[in-house]
Amino acid sequence: AQRVTQPEKLLSVFKGAPVELKCNYSYSGSPELFWYVQYSRQRLQLLLRHISRESIKGFTADLNKGETSFHLKKPFAQEEDSAMYYCALNGQGAQKLVFGQGTRLTINP
Amino acid sequence: DTEVTQTPKHLVMGMTNKKSLKCEQHMGHRAMYWYKQKAKKPPELMFVYSYEKLSINESVPSRFSPECPNSSLLNLHLHALQPEDSALYLCASSHPRAYEQYFGPGTRLTVT
Repeated sequence: AQRVTQPEKLLSVFKGAPVELKCNYSYSGSPELFWYVQYSRQRLQLLLRHISRESIKGFTADLNKGETSFHLKKPFAQEEDSAMYYCALNGQGAQKLVFGQGTRLTINP
Repeated sequence: DTEVTQTPKHLVMGMTNKKSLKCEQHMGHRAMYWYKQKAKKPPELMFVYSYEKLSINESVPSRFSPECPNSSLLNLHLHALQPEDSALYLCASSHPRAYEQYFGPGTRLTVT
């Protein structure tokens, strides 16, 4: 079975501080993992996917198969990073995304 | 055009009404999806269409009836809904063999 766990419902950090949003997954095969972000009153949008290994808006995420984790990191948080973040897994071809419960990130000034 | 559009933005319907949600994309994507999102919860997959054929139905009650009339359009027909069906309904699209899904803004449905 596919499962994504985001242990923190809420995360609050100060502007300029490092931020890490945790994501652990359960899947027996080789998963495709993503981070989606939903800013206030905006649509859900893709932030990162592990296969591209890129940095978007200063965020990075590394797939650790040994720890079955895909944590999202940013060294210096900005106020505009405040949003809901969802980790998602696709383990059955390209058609079935399973989302974690989400972490609401708040960046305090 | 790189967006998925959904209409209407808001819908209020009674339990005996019949209504439809509409989703449209012009990105040439041949996979389209319906998700249901309750407040403060992640999206939950309902249906997947691939090349205009229904490929996944996540055991959704028959009061929800999807339709994909062509490669750009996806409809969700609603009939005899219950108050607990009130939610944000999201449409998404992707290339069938790509992993990135593009989401619409959603239709906020209230069943009274």
